[in-house]
Amino acid sequence: ETGVTQTPRHLVMGMTNKKSLKCEQHLGHNAMYWYKQSAKKPLELMFVYNFKEQTENNSVPSRFSPECPNSSHLFLHLHTLQPEDSALYLCASSHPKSASGSEGAQETQYFGPGTRLLVL
Amino acid sequence: TQLLEQSPQFLSIQEGENLTVYCNSSSVFSSLQWYRQEPGEGPVLLVTVVTGGEVKKLKRLTFQFGDARKDSSLHITAAQPGDTGLYLCAGATSGTYKYIFGTGTRLKVLA
Repeated sequence: ETGVTQTPRHLVMGMTNKKSLKCEQHLGHNAMYWYKQSAKKPLELMFVYNFKEQTENNSVPSRFSPECPNSSHLFLHLHTLQPEDSALYLCASSHPKSASGSEGAQETQYFGPGTRLLVL
Repeated sequence: TQLLEQSPQFLSIQEGENLTVYCNSSSVFSSLQWYRQEPGEGPVLLVTVVTGGEVKKLKRLTFQFGDARKDSSLHITAAQPGDTGLYLCAGATSGTYKYIFGTGTRLKVLA
């Protein structure tokens, strides 16, 4: 138990469906992240939120829409997905780190267990 | 594009054997992390190294950051079935808060 929970744990959806993934952290962090983990590719950063503001969108298609209503909750809204979007979607949280820090990112990220998504 | 290559990609060994996993890049990183991910779970941080040449030990695991901060290794002594999992390295460049993850090494330790 890392203090980061994700629901649902498994999701099967058709290409015309709309669904949402939810992430909640109980660690008092102010930075939250969405990652995509596919079978044959490295873990990919999708979005970063610092203090509820989106600070990173890593060229993610618009069929993925993040929402961060407060520092403890993060959503990923899905619509008209493609089969190649099937993957494990991981949420993580950390204390925020300034991008101007000379030492780079050293804040520990705590990951949730992920949502296994299958798009048919 | 920054890329972290891990080798080997897969490794299956007997309990009690030693092993080394490598993480290599042409980019310089200000810090590098190692994670272990077990089935059905997210990655869990094992260690962060920030100084070129740094060596850190965590029980039977020894982590080394290359002198030029472009590569790292993870050595496991006397592997146990509980070490089974996906090992990921992740590097961050100075001035950013993003980690680039490696391609992963899937380790299976047989009893």
